[in-house]
Amino acid sequence: GAGVSQSPRYKVAKRGQDVALRCDPISGHVSLFWYQQALGQGPEFLTYFQNEAQLDKSGLPSDRFFAERPEGSVSTLKIQRTQQEDSAVYLCASSRGLVDNEQYFGPGTRLTVT
Amino acid sequence: GQNIDQPTEMTATEGAIVQINCTYQTSGFNGLFWYQQHAGEAPTFLSYNVLDGLEEKGRFSSFLSRSKGYSYLLLKELQMKDSASYLCAVRDRRRGQNFVFGPGTRLSVLP
Repeated sequence: GAGVSQSPRYKVAKRGQDVALRCDPISGHVSLFWYQQALGQGPEFLTYFQNEAQLDKSGLPSDRFFAERPEGSVSTLKIQRTQQEDSAVYLCASSRGLVDNEQYFGPGTRLTVT
Repeated sequence: GQNIDQPTEMTATEGAIVQINCTYQTSGFNGLFWYQQHAGEAPTFLSYNVLDGLEEKGRFSSFLSRSKGYSYLLLKELQMKDSASYLCAVRDRRRGQNFVFGPGTRLSVLP
């Protein structure tokens, strides 16, 4: 069956540009997570949705980062006025229910800010 | 807050056994997870422990001691394809469903 998909897989942005990263979770999955992964590090939590409700955005590093999931399925992570320190892989994960033991990860979007 | 420690790198030989340790500090422990991540790919789920003891799944086993804040992932009969990063993650009930990941251990399996 189809897993979590993300697009684009690679994005190069000039400093100051806005970017939008898309996540298509597994169909019917209630929970959706965004993580940021720097090279050689583990993923760091950014934000969490339960259906369309953003229940936790404590990991968003600044107000330049914004995430939405308006219809409870596809989610978009937007970064405004990108900075070089935003360069990382952005991972999306989904899980079936409200309390699940497994998150299914997408392949990530590698963002490079030049 | 949470603090999760893992060795940065490990090397082992094909056919051998390797143990990857993870220590954590959290006051709202609600499960420990191990993920495998090949370079440039998504993390994939390996195991889950919430009670003390050993969980075995084929060549992989995971152990948890909640009182010691300690877990390990045991990989047996190593294969070249096991070369990857192994991520330890903890779920904290005070923080809902999101995981806190350790830095990952990069395992190289040599012929």
